[in-house]
Amino acid sequence: GAGVSQSPSNKVTEKGKDVELRCDPISGHTALYWYRQSLGQGLEFLIYFQGNSAPDKSGLPSDRFSAERTGGSVSTLTIQRTQQEDSAVYLCASSLAGRRAGQPQHFGDGTRLSIL
Amino acid sequence: KNQVEQSPQSLIILEGKNCTLQCNYTVSPFSNLRWYKQDTGRGPVSLTIMTFSENTKSNGRYTATLDADTKQSSLHITASQLSDSASYICVVSYNTNAGKSTFGDGTTLTVKP
Repeated sequence: GAGVSQSPSNKVTEKGKDVELRCDPISGHTALYWYRQSLGQGLEFLIYFQGNSAPDKSGLPSDRFSAERTGGSVSTLTIQRTQQEDSAVYLCASSLAGRRAGQPQHFGDGTRLSIL
Repeated sequence: KNQVEQSPQSLIILEGKNCTLQCNYTVSPFSNLRWYKQDTGRGPVSLTIMTFSENTKSNGRYTATLDADTKQSSLHITASQLSDSASYICVVSYNTNAGKSTFGDGTTLTVKP
């Protein structure tokens, strides 16, 4: 498919472990976003990439969270020393142009992260 | 306080009935407002986008309205179907260099047969 792909779809890990979540955006989309959605809650913005740069990291909740994007395509969100409060669905979205262009964000189906 | 408030938080209607979801915002300066539909276990999908000069926009059985003066938007669903059961999210974007968006917490709609 041509949509945003996220992997894994589900991840269960023990508290204290590190996890990596992957996002493959739609080909040609320059903007990429990460969000977190806790059970029954709204989307919480984490980070925005334009190309390989992240001009807005304001949503990252702590220094345990980091993200990178390479080749203007794939992005990885890393959570170090996971805590139980990190349990949530992590959603990735991409758009054709940057945020100012007002283009729709195309979302993947998310990675459901459970910390035991 | 969230700059995008949606109401009601949840709603249950019978199949075939109409409903209206509300979104009030304080985001300024305003650029655009978008409604997304999020099915359970899936990512959100864009339904409509409204800019400052637009009052009404339709997408099939979905009609969005915008009153930029009162900073209110509504999403009207006509002749609801079981497949309309989802969370509907209002997203408002800033008209600045950053172009950042603020998400509402969504309205959960359940359509019952």
